[in-house]
Amino acid sequence: DADVTQTPRNRITKTGKRIMLECSQTKGHDRMYWYRQDPGLGLRLIYYSFDVKDINKGEISDGYSVSRQAQAKFSLSLESAIPNQTALYFCATSDSRDYTFGSGTRLTVV
Amino acid sequence: KQEVTQIPAALSVPEGENLVLNCSFTDSAIYNLQWFRQDPGKGLTSLLLIQSSQREQTSGRLNASLDKSSGRSTLYIAASQPGDSATYLCAVQSSGSARQLTFGSGTQLTVLP
Repeated sequence: DADVTQTPRNRITKTGKRIMLECSQTKGHDRMYWYRQDPGLGLRLIYYSFDVKDINKGEISDGYSVSRQAQAKFSLSLESAIPNQTALYFCATSDSRDYTFGSGTRLTVV
Repeated sequence: KQEVTQIPAALSVPEGENLVLNCSFTDSAIYNLQWFRQDPGKGLTSLLLIQSSQREQTSGRLNASLDKSSGRSTLYIAASQPGDSATYLCAVQSSGSARQLTFGSGTQLTVLP
């Protein structure tokens, strides 16, 4: 099993729909992150969490929310999806130095 | 705000060539600099991590250097192979408590057989 697992791998949804992307990890890391990648661009930080009771906004948090249900689980929600949220989404964990990334969720909003 | 730039955006070389990928960053107050490899449909794989106090790191055919004062890093790939074809991302980790990664937009490398 992968150290960081993201579900679903691919998703097509309609404008205005609520969608949740899920991430689970077996690394035992406290720190978890959600990033977004657009074509030709690097990854941009959406939200991050240092433990179950800690949630922090990243560079581009508008239109997104997160939930840290447990040390191993960190989910990203789009309350009302819009087409410019079409992107590749990555979850990552860290022990503050080393990062481990999931394989990504490709989200298309039509 | 930290900004990371990678040049070139794309590079195509014949197999066997040595090559250099460049990364520059605007804020020298960093914790470390990391190079990642991204393959289509897959996540990021960490290649090399250079602590802010280090000048270079080597792993096999890869060598990464860091000049913190000038805000530059290079990734040197020796004797390139078709299997090296991928996108290479440079990321700078901040020195604050958040230890956030700021990514460049990547260099897409194609090694031709």
